[in-house]
Amino acid sequence: DVKVTQSSRYLVKRTGEKVFLECVQDMDHENMFWYRQDPGLGLRLIYFSYDVKMKEKGDIPEGYSVSREKKERFSLILESASTNQTSMYLCASGSRRREALEAFFGQGTRLTVV
Amino acid sequence: AQTVTQSQPEMSVQEAETVTLSCTYDTSESDYYLFWYKQPPSRQMILVIRQEAYKQQNATENRFSVNFQKAAKSFSLKISDSQLGDAAMYFCAYRSIYNNNDMRFGAGTRLTVKP
Repeated sequence: DVKVTQSSRYLVKRTGEKVFLECVQDMDHENMFWYRQDPGLGLRLIYFSYDVKMKEKGDIPEGYSVSREKKERFSLILESASTNQTSMYLCASGSRRREALEAFFGQGTRLTVV
Repeated sequence: AQTVTQSQPEMSVQEAETVTLSCTYDTSESDYYLFWYKQPPSRQMILVIRQEAYKQQNATENRFSVNFQKAAKSFSLKISDSQLGDAAMYFCAYRSIYNNNDMRFGAGTRLTVKP
């Protein structure tokens, strides 16, 4: 079974803190994604990575950065957390093979910025 | 970037009845993949069904089937014989064959199943 593991299920941080959300996958997938989920807005793509050290901006990259130093790990960084970044964050990974393009998700991190 | 639209924020169905969830998307690409994911209260996203754009035949997985209309850029999900366990958020997703295989989702439809 594919496993995508996010480091925390719940997180509470203070405004202005630097926040790291970690995601690890065990299936040697090339692609990894970070989404933000808000009611009524669905899943919005923040950043994705298609290879080690390679990244592309999604639809809402402002206020976020990412790091992928190893293939299995993809980190989302909030440089200076703000209350409008309170949300559910979902990490996903996926192969680039045509016959296996579905994405696999972690359990999500509910981040509250106070 | 491709966009995915789910126009039904909420839907309701009686147990054992059939319900259809709508999804449309916008793309200039000719080859891509479409998916429906289910997110129950546990928050874990579960793949329900997938469709490859170059295949004309609609995908089916047990009680779940899709109506894929490529020209209309429409991808609806039909759930037959609805069960209480089908209650969840349902998300439609588009994955590009190009653009480093990025993946976009719709806003979701919350499905309630009434006993």
